[in-house]
Amino acid sequence: ETGVTQSPTHLIKTRGQQVTLRCSSQSGHNTVSWYQQALGQGPQFIFQYYREEENGRGNFPPRFSGLQFPNYSSELNVNALELDDSALYLCASSSEGDEQFFGPGTRLTVL
Amino acid sequence: DAKTTQPPSMDCAEGRAANLPCNHSTISGNEYVYWYRQIHSQGPQYIIHGLKNNETNEMASLIITEDRKSSTLILPHATLRDTAVYYCIVRVASWGGGGADGLTFGKGTHLIIQP
Repeated sequence: ETGVTQSPTHLIKTRGQQVTLRCSSQSGHNTVSWYQQALGQGPQFIFQYYREEENGRGNFPPRFSGLQFPNYSSELNVNALELDDSALYLCASSSEGDEQFFGPGTRLTVL
Repeated sequence: DAKTTQPPSMDCAEGRAANLPCNHSTISGNEYVYWYRQIHSQGPQYIIHGLKNNETNEMASLIITEDRKSSTLILPHATLRDTAVYYCIVRVASWGGGGADGLTFGKGTHLIIQP
């Protein structure tokens, strides 16, 4: 059984650029959730995708958007990057309301 | 989701039981208690969850008080690899369709296992 994978591992962007992060869910899981974790803080919920539809989001602006594909993999897109967007971005997959399994994260640095 | 309160840090000697407390005094009847941990620079790892009965798995035991206002995660024989930040999370039990199922993380407890 393959766990949750994320790419890339690390990424450096400059302010104002756009970035796309990718997540492959664990086999059998149809739900993907994305989280942002700033240094020294707990992860903060960005949004969740269930069967290719956004299923709700946390307190993040519209420049954070996403997609889920028929194979349940997912992308997180962030437009107009700001310095405060520097963080570890985590995705987690689950089977509907069951426990969420997290990937290793993508470390984004915005200069 | 109900809010949780955890001590910011704890120490435990290697080989001893580590007991991590969590207060969730505003928990609702349909909310589970979940525990995750995060080893430095890795994604959070699911440990255990429960509703009102005590639970045990290969990683840990979860003791929930009768009034469900607090709980304790027990790592029975702590090793150096158990050094991590431990998060206690309360989460609605049902998958209702409509409305996100995102987890609400606090700052957790940084557990340091001493050799």
